[in-house]
Amino acid sequence: SYELTQPPSLSVSPGQTATITCSGDKLGDKYAFWYQQKPGQSPVLVIYQDRKRPSGIPERFSGSNSGNTATLTISGTQALDEADYYCQAWDSSTVVFGGGTKLTVL
Amino acid sequence: EVQLVESGGGVIQPGGSLRLSCAASDFSVSSTYMSWVRQAPGKGLEWVSLIYAGGSTYNADSVKGRFIISRDDSRNTLYLQMNSLRADDTAVYYCATKTENYPHAFDIWGRGTMVTVSS
Repeated sequence: SYELTQPPSLSVSPGQTATITCSGDKLGDKYAFWYQQKPGQSPVLVIYQDRKRPSGIPERFSGSNSGNTATLTISGTQALDEADYYCQAWDSSTVVFGGGTKLTVL
Repeated sequence: EVQLVESGGGVIQPGGSLRLSCAASDFSVSSTYMSWVRQAPGKGLEWVSLIYAGGSTYNADSVKGRFIISRDDSRNTLYLQMNSLRADDTAVYYCATKTENYPHAFDIWGRGTMVTVSS
């Protein structure tokens, strides 16, 4: 079965750029999606179709996808960006999530 | 406002059955794909089941043969019938779907319902 691999954790200082990776076999041939989840809340879509931002998502969130790696970039990271981030892709007609990356802003 | 509200969670003994419901508002459950995603305590998101607008269904290997996804168009509700429950099925179960604006994504999520499998 298809797998997506993310680093378990990442720490950045406020104002720095956070780069979260998601790796999967030929992931660049698929669309990548990213979700943000804060404690006790439901996931929120922050990037769809590799690089598009849903309405209401700040411009500091951006995405890319090429080769075997999709990347979520948060520029000028703020304290309120501290959360778990999950990548997601479709494999045939099924859904795959990465294991999640806990972003700490300190 | 497009909304999903899950219900039906609770505490159930191993080997038991439970049916979760997901009531939809302001859109038709038959108009798009809908999915169940779960999250065990302190763990990541795990996709469980999916039903397409046309009715085709798919399940994760971890629940194949035990869980059944379905919908009732007249009630505008998605269901997850969970049988032969095990301790590792303990999780918050979310239903999720997409609006027309975000192809192939899950931009609408419910608040989740907790299922605890324990003796």
